[in-house]
Amino acid sequence: GQNIDQPTEMTATEGAIVQINCTYQTSGFNGLFWYQQHAGEAPTFLSYNVLDGLEEKGRFSSFLSRSKGYSYLLLKELQMKDSASYLCAVRFPFRGGYNKLIFGAGTRLAVHP
Amino acid sequence: EPEVTQTPSHQVTQMGQEVILRCVPISNHLYFYWYRQILGQKVEFLVSFYNNEISEKSEIFDDQFSVERPDGSNFTLKIRSTKLEDSAMYFCASSADRDNSPLHFGNGTRLTVT
Repeated sequence: GQNIDQPTEMTATEGAIVQINCTYQTSGFNGLFWYQQHAGEAPTFLSYNVLDGLEEKGRFSSFLSRSKGYSYLLLKELQMKDSASYLCAVRFPFRGGYNKLIFGAGTRLAVHP
Repeated sequence: EPEVTQTPSHQVTQMGQEVILRCVPISNHLYFYWYRQILGQKVEFLVSFYNNEISEKSEIFDDQFSVERPDGSNFTLKIRSTKLEDSAMYFCASSADRDNSPLHFGNGTRLTVT
């Protein structure tokens, strides 16, 4: 089966840096996505990695190691509004040449003053 | 910035009734999806749709569910006879291509089955 693991909860202090890890085991790989989801709202796209290495996008960076089935999302200069769930999602090839995107359970991040 | 829109934002229905959830994907996107999220649980894949047919569906997407693109803009999810366990947030998403583009999600429809 397909499996994506990430920590359930994390806490961090405003202004600090936090790293949210994700490990995956899927039958094939066509990219890894990070989404942010505030309670009761839609997932919002943050970043995408398909090759190994670091992708930087303002305060957010995401890293991928395909050989280890591992990614992390790095959030710098944390703000209170960053309190949300962070969802790791993996796209993998499926029948008929189509891709399927599945989500991990999400990491609930609480930023406190 | 273009966005995926969903209506209604909240739907309450009685068990056994049919519901239709509506979505307008981003206009130049070609791939469409429905996901659901039961309260406190993870976002689960239901179905993907391309070129006017289902390209993939999950085990959740049984005979009670159907999708349709009745015209050039709308994409609908129908649940024929709702059950209590269908209560969830239903998200529509679309993407520009199959391989490289992220999925963009609508704000969801909260379905409550009583």
